[in-house]
Amino acid sequence: QQQVKQSPQSLIVQKGGISIINCAYENTAFDYFPWYQQFPGKGPALLIAIRPDVSEKKEGRFTISFNKSAKQFSLHIMDSQPGDSATYFCAASNPGGGADGLTFGKGTHLIIQP
Amino acid sequence: GAGVSQSPSNKVTEKGKDVELRCDPISGHTALYWYRQSLGQGLEFLIYFQGNSAPDKSGLPSDRFSAERTGGSVSTLTIQRTQQEDSAVYLCASSLGQKDSPLHFGNGTRLTVT
Repeated sequence: QQQVKQSPQSLIVQKGGISIINCAYENTAFDYFPWYQQFPGKGPALLIAIRPDVSEKKEGRFTISFNKSAKQFSLHIMDSQPGDSATYFCAASNPGGGADGLTFGKGTHLIIQP
Repeated sequence: GAGVSQSPSNKVTEKGKDVELRCDPISGHTALYWYRQSLGQGLEFLIYFQGNSAPDKSGLPSDRFSAERTGGSVSTLTIQRTQQEDSAVYLCASSLGQKDSPLHFGNGTRLTVT
């Protein structure tokens, strides 16, 4: 119930292409879905987040698409750049909050080839 | 402003030795988290502190692991009688403690047990 399944585990995209990372969840109580970006040697940092009352949120080249009925959400990176090469984690939070209220996916290692 | 600071950045220790990892959270952040990230793996929750409440220790993998947070600020994660499988990056994060407050991660301590 608390799992968030993330795919793919790794992804290689050509510069200028669209990178797509998918996550699926089972717990319908989840009410907040953040994405974190982690560069090598650094800690993860919040990239973008969405709540289930909207189907899409866009910030610059980064877009979250949310499908409540399918219990899926995805991160789209438009015009992908080598600087986007990083590990991306999706996460889901339930109304209880706290540490056990935030569940991370296992991460996607993204490489953007110049 | 200053972010989450972790020390040391790297630690090499011999099997069986005890180690202490330190985390200085962002000033004013009431919530503090410890995660473990093994090579190429996701984020494994270890322990969570929120204000003056009892910590959530549900993620600690064994009784060799312990953590404390003094004065609601600095936290120390202690691993006793280290084993080779303890080798990983230990990440600390802090937040304002409100539901869905973003986690601010430090750059981690890379622990190598030889």
